[in-house]
Amino acid sequence: NAGVTQTPKFQVLKTGQSMTLQCAQDMNHNSMYWYRQDPGMGLRLIYYSASEGTTDKGEVPNGYNVSRLNKREFSLRLESAAPSQTSVYFCASNNRVTQYFGPGTRLLVL
Amino acid sequence: GQQLNQSPQSMFIQEGEDVSMNCTSSSIFNTWLWYKQDPGEGPVLLIALYKAGELTSNGRLTAQFGITRKDSFLNISASIPSDVGIYFCAGLRVDSNYQLIWGAGTKLIIKP
Repeated sequence: NAGVTQTPKFQVLKTGQSMTLQCAQDMNHNSMYWYRQDPGMGLRLIYYSASEGTTDKGEVPNGYNVSRLNKREFSLRLESAAPSQTSVYFCASNNRVTQYFGPGTRLLVL
Repeated sequence: GQQLNQSPQSMFIQEGEDVSMNCTSSSIFNTWLWYKQDPGEGPVLLIALYKAGELTSNGRLTAQFGITRKDSFLNISASIPSDVGIYFCAGLRVDSNYQLIWGAGTKLIIKP
């Protein structure tokens, strides 16, 4: 039982490049979330998916897209990366209230 | 964006000291959660609170759900080196659809 897994762990992009961050959970949770974490800012919600087939914007969705591929997987895509998207990205999942987090993806955009 | 007011931002303490931190909001919450994040890791749940006035312990950690439902407190007794990290509060508002609102974190540092 791996919980929430994220790939890659680290990534360096040039401005304008695109990439997809992958997230998977094996806890049969309905809801999945993408957050970004910046120093002194705590966690800010980018997008979430309350159930398979649905996605909704969070607090900071601009510059991102998501896909809930199936119940297990929820991906985050940066179509044209910008330096302001340099951050640590966390995926989380839950069935009720308690969210379980992945180890994070550290992204640097030059 | 919405955030809880979490304080203090950081704490420098001696090993063995007790620690207190809190989160407040102008909104009413159904649930309060306290998480800890170690460097290079994702947040891990420490304590969950579901009722106003509830006091729950997890080892040396004790958290309380404020009576007004607008605040919560976390205490750590007799701190040890492995307590260092960032502590986050998170709350679920009464009118929410399971979207948590997060505090900015309290960074705990133990003085050598």
